[in-house]
Amino acid sequence: DTAVSQTPKYLVTQMGNDKSIKCEQNLGHDTMYWYKQDSKKFLKIMFSYNNKELIINETVPNRFSPKSPDKAHLNLHINSLELGDSAVYFCASSNRDRAPGGYTFGSGTRLTVV
Amino acid sequence: KQEVTQIPAALSVPEGENLVLNCSFTDSAIYNLQWFRQDPGKGLTSLLLIQSSQREQTSGRLNASLDKSSGRSTLYIAASQPGDSATYLCAVKDKAAGNKLTFGGGTRVLVKP
Repeated sequence: DTAVSQTPKYLVTQMGNDKSIKCEQNLGHDTMYWYKQDSKKFLKIMFSYNNKELIINETVPNRFSPKSPDKAHLNLHINSLELGDSAVYFCASSNRDRAPGGYTFGSGTRLTVV
Repeated sequence: KQEVTQIPAALSVPEGENLVLNCSFTDSAIYNLQWFRQDPGKGLTSLLLIQSSQREQTSGRLNASLDKSSGRSTLYIAASQPGDSATYLCAVKDKAAGNKLTFGGGTRVLVKP
């Protein structure tokens, strides 16, 4: 009955590899997000999809590509991984314009690039 | 561009003392403000959500106030316990910019037994 679930929880990979992180929400929210938490623990938005449409695309290298097959899923694919990509990636969901509009976060994916 | 600031960055108190965590934001055109708790190595747990039309929200020992016109929110935790030790994050949901959630840097709280 997990509200926002993301897999895997941990990901250790070598530089240059391509990897994907999956996210699913069962809250019926219309909008999903990817956030990155860096080593200083600051959370910053990367992408946002509303009903499968990309609505936020912050300054993120184009090696990162989100994919939303439906409004309950938002996956993150990363090509040619670099050391600086090591971070914790959080998926979240909310209703964009309908109240209450609070965010629910997944438990995070800790990515380590070696 | 919305900026969210949390003061202090870290706080250490003896058990039983009340906690006061401050959050300020630069753009008052917000939908809501949300307080989260994050334990080391864990995800974010939502504590309180205050809509822009509300002045405060309460849940158990937690009370959060919102003064939208001055761009401030305060989280009060009464009678702190060691289990309250965590990082507390304030975030605002902007009306502009795709309704994204902008986070403050967090306040790291340690409650000593």
